[in-house]
Amino acid sequence: QQQVKQSPQSLIVQKGGISIINCAYENTAFDYFPWYQQFPGKGPALLIAIRPDVSEKKEGRFTISFNKSAKQFSLHIMDSQPGDSATYFCAAGGGGGADGLTFGKGTHLIIQP
Amino acid sequence: GAVVSQHPSRVICKSGTSVKIECRSLDFQATTMFWYRQFPKQSLMLMATSNEGSKATYEQGVEKDKFLINHASLTLSTLTVTSAHPEDSSFYICSAWKDSDTQYFGPGTRLTVL
Repeated sequence: QQQVKQSPQSLIVQKGGISIINCAYENTAFDYFPWYQQFPGKGPALLIAIRPDVSEKKEGRFTISFNKSAKQFSLHIMDSQPGDSATYFCAAGGGGGADGLTFGKGTHLIIQP
Repeated sequence: GAVVSQHPSRVICKSGTSVKIECRSLDFQATTMFWYRQFPKQSLMLMATSNEGSKATYEQGVEKDKFLINHASLTLSTLTVTSAHPEDSSFYICSAWKDSDTQYFGPGTRLTVL
């Protein structure tokens, strides 16, 4: 049973637009929700993460929105650029991030110039 | 941020041989490290949790006798794939937990078993 569901599987956005990726989780013990960016052949790089005590977190062009009651969280990439083209993974874990992470299946994002 | 390295970055071996992959936290001490596996165009799957000085905890379905994990120091964890077979070919990625911060991921090791 998949514990973190991610959508869409692929996404095409025009340069300058907003990219939105959504995730839903099932395990109420999860208390740490990071987003990772991965380029082919590379390890995942942390973009931004949120804990359940806040509903939104913004870092530069990246924003996480978190809805605890709905068990959903999303990533918004503002002013999307061709360099943002990559695979994005949401993840969830317990222990404030100290436990192993459960990953979504990933979203392949393409930013068209 | 923090830096986690893996060695080697790529390894090709013959079926039946064993391969060791190292994961190091370069600028912080990590009491807990994790090993993930990623098949082509798929997501990362947690294989095991490695705690310094104690036995690793394996996820359901992961063979502990096949994937040997050792976390002998606060900066080094190793994954040994024993008697590797072609189906073990994958991208192996480690991460290290930095206290009160987050998990930092290594660059990954591409294992190809012929």
